[in-house]
Amino acid sequence: KAGVTQTPRYLIKTRGQQVTLSCSPISGHRSVSWYQQTPGQGLQFLFEYFSETQRNKGNFPGRFSGRQFSNSRSEMNVSTLELGDSALYLCASSHTGLAGVYNEQFFGPGTRLTVL
Amino acid sequence: AQKVTQAQTEISVVEKEDVTLDCVYETRDTTYYLFWYKQPPSGELVFLIRRNSFDEQNEISGRYSWNFQKSTSSFNFTITASQVVDSAVYFCALSEAGNFNKFYFGSGTKLNVKP
Repeated sequence: KAGVTQTPRYLIKTRGQQVTLSCSPISGHRSVSWYQQTPGQGLQFLFEYFSETQRNKGNFPGRFSGRQFSNSRSEMNVSTLELGDSALYLCASSHTGLAGVYNEQFFGPGTRLTVL
Repeated sequence: AQKVTQAQTEISVVEKEDVTLDCVYETRDTTYYLFWYKQPPSGELVFLIRRNSFDEQNEISGRYSWNFQKSTSSFNFTITASQVVDSAVYFCALSEAGNFNKFYFGSGTKLNVKP
């Protein structure tokens, strides 16, 4: 099986712009989670989508949003970019079928976003 | 409050030395999962181990071993006979009941293994 893929791998934007990152989960996985990794704050949970619905959300401003499509692919969008949004954005997918049953999360290689 | 604490920011060892990475967690849930991930320079998080809160058995996998102690809320990771390829940043993470895909990560420990 192919792993989690993220596009693009690298991105350079300027302040005030918006950006969309894409994540394709492992085939059959219905849950997609997003994380932001920065040197100062470390790895922080952004949100999780399951069957096209946001199931969980971290403590990020409304400029950060996401969605999931019927094929489980997910996008996250950051509007009005700030310098502090420069980070590695990681996507993870898992099967997560039955409630209360844990299925392992697999991470993608990440998208490195630089805001100038 | 920090849910996962990795007090060791960076550790340097010489190849073939044993090294232990510490992880202390905090949760009020009785059902939770603990994880260790490895992040090489390429950036991708590589899964190493998962342990649920009801299974305190220690585990050994090759040169890797993990010690889970609920009494001290610790989940430590030992690499025996370290190798240069073990050089990476290692993260400990916690997820809690009802939100199993929401990970709380520690700040990571950078391991440098010198030849």
